[in-house]
Amino acid sequence: GENVEQHPSTLSVQEGDSAVIKCTYSDSASNYFPWYKQELGKRPQLIIDIRSNVGEKKDQRIAVTLNKTAKHFSLHITETQPEDSAVYFCAANAGGTSYGKLTFGQGTILTVHP
Amino acid sequence: DTEVTQTPKHLVMGMTNKKSLKCEQHMGHRAMYWYKQKAKKPPELMFVYSYEKLSINESVPSRFSPECPNSSLLNLHLHALQPEDSALYLCASSQATGSRNTIYFGEGSWLTVV
Repeated sequence: GENVEQHPSTLSVQEGDSAVIKCTYSDSASNYFPWYKQELGKRPQLIIDIRSNVGEKKDQRIAVTLNKTAKHFSLHITETQPEDSAVYFCAANAGGTSYGKLTFGQGTILTVHP
Repeated sequence: DTEVTQTPKHLVMGMTNKKSLKCEQHMGHRAMYWYKQKAKKPPELMFVYSYEKLSINESVPSRFSPECPNSSLLNLHLHALQPEDSALYLCASSQATGSRNTIYFGEGSWLTVV
């Protein structure tokens, strides 16, 4: 089955700095890679996703890059703000018989200091 | 509107009780999911329903019993739970179970087993 590794497990930055979170996946059949942000006591919320036919996607201060050859994808947050502090999960959704099965990374606790 | 509604938000139950968690979506999604999330861990898939039929059961103990009465509703019946079952239970939905479908989470039901 799919295995997703996420690094770092904690990340501390100053407001205005950039933050980068990296994930690797094992199943070359995986073709959809969402990123979720989860604030304390809240649900995971989709912040950006990328499909395997695209190498990069950007939405305002957030961008995701995908390297299919190396089987890794990254989340980039620029001009970080205190409200970006949360746990971020990457995930991979394989095709074939794994329909509907999102495999999550272990999460990154991002802290943005004012 | 990407709304998945879960009730109750909080539930405390004894080990001999029978209770149910409920989930509803009105987005016309044909796939619905139950995930379990422990503190500081990623969500773990429990069940997937596709077109009202159970398509994935991730070897979940029989004390958890899912039910999909129609395409908008998903229940999780709980019986004879253990304290280690205390967790956040997340319902989610997507348009279908194809690997490129975005999965949207509800707010979750916080379950405490005493």
